[in-house]
Amino acid sequence: NAGVMQNPRHLVRRRGQEARLRCSPMKGHSHVYWYRQLPEEGLKFMVYLQKENIIDESGMPKERFSAEFPKEGPSILRIQQVVRGDSAAYFCASSPLQGSTEAFFGQGTRLTVV
Amino acid sequence: SQQGEEDPQALSIQEGENATMNCSYKTSINNLQWYRQNSGRGLVHLILIRSNEREKHSGRLRVTLDTSKKSSSLLITASRAADTASYFCATSQGGSEKLVFGKGTKLTVNP
Repeated sequence: NAGVMQNPRHLVRRRGQEARLRCSPMKGHSHVYWYRQLPEEGLKFMVYLQKENIIDESGMPKERFSAEFPKEGPSILRIQQVVRGDSAAYFCASSPLQGSTEAFFGQGTRLTVV
Repeated sequence: SQQGEEDPQALSIQEGENATMNCSYKTSINNLQWYRQNSGRGLVHLILIRSNEREKHSGRLRVTLDTSKKSSSLLITASRAADTASYFCATSQGGSEKLVFGKGTKLTVNP
């Protein structure tokens, strides 16, 4: 059973471009969480999704950021018109059940905006 | 919003010694979890302790939880160089599914 898969592992974008980060949850998991980690910081919650639904997006910046988890395919975190401050590691986690508190994390995507 | 805070921020010990890291939080929680992160890598789940538990063991790890003081500690016994990593506590509260992380303790175990 493969773990949570994120790709790409590293992504370089110029200011103003779009970044698309993908997350395939563990097999059988229908709950996906996105977190952002700035250097030397802990992880900050961004958004919680179930298939085709956004459950909690209280940590998402109001502009330029969006997330989806379609019926088929991976969850996507999209950042439009990236700025240098978006440079960070973005982690996806998945869990099998609502209320299941152990989340399994992917290796992360390290976004660098130049 | 509530946030876990670990201390110390950095800890350097010799192989074979014990390492103790602490975490404090501000509001009532459902449970508290500890994660390890090797440099540039993802998070590995270590142990979960529920709000009605006081102590839990897993191999060389011992976690305590004191809800009256809103604090937890992670003890790694007989440390190894491979334990070198950052350690984070994370809490979940109420009906929320999200985890709230502290800034972490950077542990260095010198061979």
